[in-house]
Amino acid sequence: GQNIDQPTEMTATEGAIVQINCTYQTSGFNGLFWYQQHAGEAPTFLSYNVLDGLEEKGRFSSFLSRSKGYSYLLLKELQMKDSASYLCAVKNTGKLIFGQGTTLQVKP
Amino acid sequence: DSGVTQTPKHLITATGQRVTLRCSPRSGDLSVYWYQQSLDQGLQFLIQYYNGEERAKGNILERFSAQQFPDLHSELNLSSLELGDSALYFCASSVAWGGAADTGELFFGEGSRLTVL
Repeated sequence: GQNIDQPTEMTATEGAIVQINCTYQTSGFNGLFWYQQHAGEAPTFLSYNVLDGLEEKGRFSSFLSRSKGYSYLLLKELQMKDSASYLCAVKNTGKLIFGQGTTLQVKP
Repeated sequence: DSGVTQTPKHLITATGQRVTLRCSPRSGDLSVYWYQQSLDQGLQFLIQYYNGEERAKGNILERFSAQQFPDLHSELNLSSLELGDSALYFCASSVAWGGAADTGELFFGEGSRLTVL
């Protein structure tokens, strides 16, 4: 079966750092993705991890531990435009299975 | 702009009706995926096609069907519509399917918002 868990909602302050966690239990694993989705818009790609460790891309970093079935997305220097849903997705035999998403609200 | 085109953007119809959603993938992409996103729900995987062939199936209802044509565009057919089918339907495309060079990154269209009254 497939189970991907993320917190439903998070709130953070502009300029701060926030970490969004994702745990997964899937029948197969070929990589983990993070996507950003603003309300009513299409999801857009943020990061991809296939090996354990940290991938850094500007203000965003993503970490993966395959043995623990765990990933996190780290957002630094938060901006108001970062208010969005963040979707954790596991690649399994060619398709992406998404978690429910974490809605992040950035406050001034 | 992801390069994936979906039509129509909005559709309002009645229960019991049938609709067709259309998707044109990015130029060069062979895989097409369909996802359903209901209010307050995550993206639910429906079905995937690669170069005209069905490759993977998710929680797609029997009332729903899809196909990918030789020119690689895809259509999702929804029939005997129910109120609960109201949702955003996303199409996404990627270069390949499952191969070593395939990172699996999906490029999403803007979605088709279906409202069933």
